[in-house]
Amino acid sequence: RKEVEQDPGPFNVPEGATVAFNCTYSNSASQSFFWYRQDCRKEPKLLMSVYSSGNEDGRFTAQLNRASQYISLLIRDSKLSDSATYLCAVNMVRMNTGFQKLVFGTGTRLLVSP
Amino acid sequence: GAGVSQSPRYKVAKRGQDVALRCDPISGHVSLFWYQQALGQGPEFLTYFQNEAQLDKSGLPSDRFFAERPEGSVSTLKIQRTQQEDSAVYLCASSLAGTFAAYEQYFGPGTRLTVT
Repeated sequence: RKEVEQDPGPFNVPEGATVAFNCTYSNSASQSFFWYRQDCRKEPKLLMSVYSSGNEDGRFTAQLNRASQYISLLIRDSKLSDSATYLCAVNMVRMNTGFQKLVFGTGTRLLVSP
Repeated sequence: GAGVSQSPRYKVAKRGQDVALRCDPISGHVSLFWYQQALGQGPEFLTYFQNEAQLDKSGLPSDRFFAERPEGSVSTLKIQRTQQEDSAVYLCASSLAGTFAAYEQYFGPGTRLTVT
């Protein structure tokens, strides 16, 4: 099983729609979770951090379900400019050393159409 | 403030050539990471520095890959005797945190390496 898994999509939605992506992770000890947005041929840009039960930023809501080991991203009132790939990332910290790394999913592609 | 910068943005190398990729992290950021991103995939971890110490290089695909951060700021990723499978985007990220503290990582624009 991959450490972090996402549905690659694409998700095709009309403007104004609500869309949700899930991301599952395998390491139950993971503590920090992030959603990044990546536009074509650009670097990932941090969209949201998900540290506890979840958080909201405008039209975007991220939630964490520790029992089922997944995080989700909900986008309300989709805009054309939301079209991008959304990468889920889980920060793996080795507790005996403190060494850390982000493990990414393959990303979910979102296409918002007029 | 200035973000993470990387150079060159694009590099074409003939198979067998050596390349050096540079990363300038956000000022004051303790941690620096290198990732490799193949087309259609998420970034894959290569190596991690805390200040000048390379704490984890478990993701480096072979001994042809070498990274350094001698003064704890700028980092260089070197690939010797490049192969076609090395073609990818190489992303650098930096984070304010040191060990045992997971802070957000901020990415540079990447270097797109094409090996012909």
